[in-house]
Amino acid sequence: DVKVTQSSRYLVKRTGEKVFLECVQDMDHENMFWYRQDPGLGLRLIYFSYDVKMKEKGDIPEGYSVSREKKERFSLILESASTNQTSMYLCASSLSLKGVEQYFGPGTRLTVT
Amino acid sequence: AQKVTQAQTEISVVEKEDVTLDCVYETRDTTYYLFWYKQPPSGELVFLIRRNSFDEQNEISGRYSWNFQKSTSSFNFTITASQVVDSAVYFCALSGNIYNFNKFYFGSGTKLNVKP
Repeated sequence: DVKVTQSSRYLVKRTGEKVFLECVQDMDHENMFWYRQDPGLGLRLIYFSYDVKMKEKGDIPEGYSVSREKKERFSLILESASTNQTSMYLCASSLSLKGVEQYFGPGTRLTVT
Repeated sequence: AQKVTQAQTEISVVEKEDVTLDCVYETRDTTYYLFWYKQPPSGELVFLIRRNSFDEQNEISGRYSWNFQKSTSSFNFTITASQVVDSAVYFCALSGNIYNFNKFYFGSGTKLNVKP
């Protein structure tokens, strides 16, 4: 059974803190993605990675960075959390083939106070 | 540009009613892929179906059916005899065929409320 796991379901951080969100997949997928989900805006891509140590900016990368040191793990980093980064964060993975589905983790609801 | 529009923000139906969720897309690719996902209250997106642009056959899976029409750039999703367990947010997504072909473009989602 395919599995994408995220380190926390709920997280509360203070403004200015450095925040790490971790995602692990056990399907040997090449691609991994980080999205944020906000009401009325759907899912917006923050960053994606198509290989270890490789990354590309998505549609809203400002204020975020990522790290992929191992194939199964993709980390999202908020260098200095701000209240406008309060959101649901979803991680996904997929094979590097055309037209394949992405598999999603359960999400992390981050609140920045 | 790639874009997916789900104009229905929220729909409420009574159990056993049929309901159709609309999805309209824009793309310059001649080959592309369309997806539907379900997000129940637990939060995890669940893959429902994939359709490529060369296959315009409609698909039925139990109470679910999908109508793909290239002429109107639409990929609509119908639930027949809806049930309370169908209550969720449904997302339509598009991926292309060339550069960054694994990148998905999601619609804003339609929240379906099925009342007993």
